[in-house]
Amino acid sequence: EPEVTQTPSHQVTQMGQEVILRCVPISNHLYFYWYRQILGQKVEFLVSFYNNEISEKSEIFDDQFSVERPDGSNFTLKIRSTKLEDSAMYFCASSETGANEKLFFGSGTQLSVL
Amino acid sequence: AQSVTQLGSHVSVSEGALVLLRCNYSSSVPPYLFWYVQYPNQGLQLLLKYTTGATLVKGINGFEAEFKKSETSFHLTKPSAHMSDAAEYFCAVSPGYSSASKIIFGSGTRLSIRP
Repeated sequence: EPEVTQTPSHQVTQMGQEVILRCVPISNHLYFYWYRQILGQKVEFLVSFYNNEISEKSEIFDDQFSVERPDGSNFTLKIRSTKLEDSAMYFCASSETGANEKLFFGSGTQLSVL
Repeated sequence: AQSVTQLGSHVSVSEGALVLLRCNYSSSVPPYLFWYVQYPNQGLQLLLKYTTGATLVKGINGFEAEFKKSETSFHLTKPSAHMSDAAEYFCAVSPGYSSASKIIFGSGTRLSIRP
């Protein structure tokens, strides 16, 4: 089965630094998502992206966050100035026809902000 | 707005025993409901989903779930647990229309299987 791939699997950064989390969605998918899970808490929705623009974003997704599909294959999440509370597992997902169909998830990037 | 509550962050059953993972939802519109599973070091995978129609939904690996509107529940069951079922299970909800742009997950239930 096709896979969503995420890199890196682990990222350690200093507070205040910028990080970019990378995802390669499944090639014929049109809908893209970022979720995150702080240890022991819910898997939280961050943002959905379709047709080269954000469809919906959560309250978590403030001005420090941005997403981009720079080259038609990658889908990136940038955090401009990381905070301690950004430490979490970040999951990328993609879907062919939308959120109510099957979401395909990557295995996640564990972000640790020191 | 939609939300789900999963009762029990950790459930342990013996191999061959019934698996029951509980999920209650809240939704202001008719919901679509999902169960996803996450095996160690992997992403979440769809087990099954309820959209409309038959309230008993069958998924992969012998799992099934029943939508009960009167109880706002969507509990996941499997008659006989297998060691390979050990994983984290997430219930999720979305508004029941095709243009929905997100699904909302619960906090997950870790299922352990005793030999």
